[in-house]
Amino acid sequence: AIQMTQSPASLSASVGDRVTITCRASQGIRNRLAWYQQKPGKAPNLLIYAASSLQTGVPSRFFGSGSDTDFTLTISSLQPEDFATYYCLQDNTYPYIFGQGTKLEIK
Amino acid sequence: QVQLVESGGGEVQPGRSLRLSCAASGVIFSDYAMHWVRQAPGKGLEWVAVISYDGSKKYYADSVKGRFTVSRDNSKNMLYLQMNSLRGEDTALYYCAKGLDSIWILPGYWGQGTLVTVSS
Repeated sequence: AIQMTQSPASLSASVGDRVTITCRASQGIRNRLAWYQQKPGKAPNLLIYAASSLQTGVPSRFFGSGSDTDFTLTISSLQPEDFATYYCLQDNTYPYIFGQGTKLEIK
Repeated sequence: QVQLVESGGGEVQPGRSLRLSCAASGVIFSDYAMHWVRQAPGKGLEWVAVISYDGSKKYYADSVKGRFTVSRDNSKNMLYLQMNSLRGEDTALYYCAKGLDSIWILPGYWGQGTLVTVSS
């Protein structure tokens, strides 16, 4: 199975900061990479699919990029509601694999 | 508005079986692939299984292959996960999720989950 390596595992930042989270696939997955946000006690919420396509209703401060094996999620200007855990997911081949998650905390 | 409601979770002994259900509403259920994803307490997300819109194709995580079976009843807008030979490491909150659309079938919309605890 494809391995997904997500980094960092945790990140402290302030409101207004620009942050970047990365995901690396153990083999090429074209653009088949999604990003999810999960808040405590809630189900995950899809932010980006196809590496860079913004899901309907997601603010434009979320930006996804990358292809093949290296991908990034950038939040351009952190808002208080963005402090959460973020996961990448490869949907190129079965089994689908999630990254380990990045917990974004308030500095 | 899409609504997915999971049920059937509970506490079960190792080696026993459990069947989870997911009721879908607000959507043409038969148009979409459906997934099960789980999350162990305090841990990350683990994709478990997917079933195609018509039930003809099913794929599983290596950790559950041969023990879990995903199925659906499009006439009832229901998704199921039959879990056999349960182990302690299957303890998790189990989410059902609808594929985003007919082309991008990754999990797009999620229920709130049902908790499965495997313990003696």
